Amino acid sequence: GENVEQHPSTLSVQEGDSAVIKCTYSDSASNYFPWYKQELGKRPQLIIDIRSNVGEKKDQRIAVTLNKTAKHFSLHITETQPEDSAVYFCAASKRGFNKFYFGSGTKLNVKP
Amino acid sequence: DTAVSQTPKYLVTQMGNDKSIKCEQNLGHDTMYWYKQDSKKFLKIMFSYNNKELIINETVPNRFSPKSPDKAHLNLHINSLELGDSAVYFCASSSRVAAFFGQGTRLTVV
Repeated sequence: GENVEQHPSTLSVQEGDSAVIKCTYSDSASNYFPWYKQELGKRPQLIIDIRSNVGEKKDQRIAVTLNKTAKHFSLHITETQPEDSAVYFCAASKRGFNKFYFGSGTKLNVKP
Repeated sequence: DTAVSQTPKYLVTQMGNDKSIKCEQNLGHDTMYWYKQDSKKFLKIMFSYNNKELIINETVPNRFSPKSPDKAHLNLHINSLELGDSAVYFCASSSRVAAFFGQGTRLTVV
């Protein structure tokens, strides 16, 4: 089965700096990679996703990149703000296979 | 207008009891899931149903039994609760792309 590894487990940045979270996956058939943000006590919420036919996707201050050859993908947050503080999860799936494999999460702390 | 809703939000119960968590989605999705999030925040899939049929059953004790009366509902029944069952349980649904999560049920077994 798929194995998704996520690093780092914790990340502390100063407000305004950039944050990068990295994930690797093992199954080359995986072709869909969503990212979730989970604030304390709340549900994971989808913030951005990327499909395997795209190398990069951007939405305002967040961007994801995908390297299919190396089987890794990353989340980039620029100009971080205190409200970006949360746990972020990457995930990998094969479309139509009804199963998402999650990374172990990264706790991001943005210091004001 | 909640897309994926689960009840109850909190559940405190004694060891050995049987309890149920209910989940409903109004997104018209074909697939629903149960995930368990432990104290270390790791999200682990338990079950996946597609159009009321069980398609994924991870290594979960058979004290856990999901039931899907229709494709908009997926309930989770747990028998003989143990201390180690304490966690947050999330229901989710998807339509072949991203999964959308319910608000979670924090289960505490004492």
